[in-house]
Amino acid sequence: GAGVSQSPSNKVTEKGKDVELRCDPISGHTALYWYRQSLGQGLEFLIYFQGNSAPDKSGLPSDRFSAERTGGSVSTLTIQRTQQEDSAVYLCASKTVGRAYEQYFGPGTRLTVT
Amino acid sequence: GDSVTQMEGPVTLSEEAFLTINCTYTATGYPSLFWYVQYPGEGLQLLLKATKADDKGSNKGFEATYRKETTSFHLEKGSVQVSDSAVYFCALTLLSGGYNKLIFGAGTRLAVHP
Repeated sequence: GAGVSQSPSNKVTEKGKDVELRCDPISGHTALYWYRQSLGQGLEFLIYFQGNSAPDKSGLPSDRFSAERTGGSVSTLTIQRTQQEDSAVYLCASKTVGRAYEQYFGPGTRLTVT
Repeated sequence: GDSVTQMEGPVTLSEEAFLTINCTYTATGYPSLFWYVQYPGEGLQLLLKATKADDKGSNKGFEATYRKETTSFHLEKGSVQVSDSAVYFCALTLLSGGYNKLIFGAGTRLAVHP
C-alpha cells in the first residue's frame, strides 16, 4: 500500500517568504507527527496531531511555524517569514494509535532558504 | 529531560567487519527503544525496536538489547556489507500526554568499504 507522502520534495525560497509543506499520511493512521532534521539540531519533534484532539505544538521553534490537519488526514506545515536557520529537511510520520505501533516516515521536504 | 546519546561518527569499516554503535538514554519513565536507518537519498526506516528490559530487537543481521541497568541500547552487526552504509539513529518514545513522540540521538554515519 501507499506510504506517507510529502510534497514538495525540494523547496527553495527567499528569506522572508512564506512556505507550505504538505503531508499525506497512510490511510487510516490517526496520529501524525512533524519532525525537522537539520545539521545543527539533529532530528527534533515539532508537532503532533491525534484525531480531533488539540495538537501538541510544544516542539514548534517559534510562532512563525504553524500546522493544520484537515479532516483528520492531510496536514500542512506553514512557515511564515522564513529565515535561513529554517533550512532543513522536514519529515512527516504517521502511525496507528497504540504504544506498540511504529511511526512510518515520509521522504521529507528539503527546504532551503536563501 | 529525556534524551538519547549515541556515539559520534563517522564510523568507517571494511566489509565483513564487526559493527558496534553505542547508544545510551535518559528517561523519566519506561521508554521503548528504536534504531532507525536512513540510507542515502531515502527516508527514515525503522530497523529494529525493543519495548521492555532485556528484549532483543533484530533485523537484517543487526541486533540491539534493551539494557535497563546500563540505560543502553547498543547496535551490533557481526559482518557489515557495503549496502549497510547509512546514517543510524537511536531513539526512544515515552507515553506522555497520551501519545508517543520520538526523541532521537544525533545520528551516526556508517561507511563500509569493499
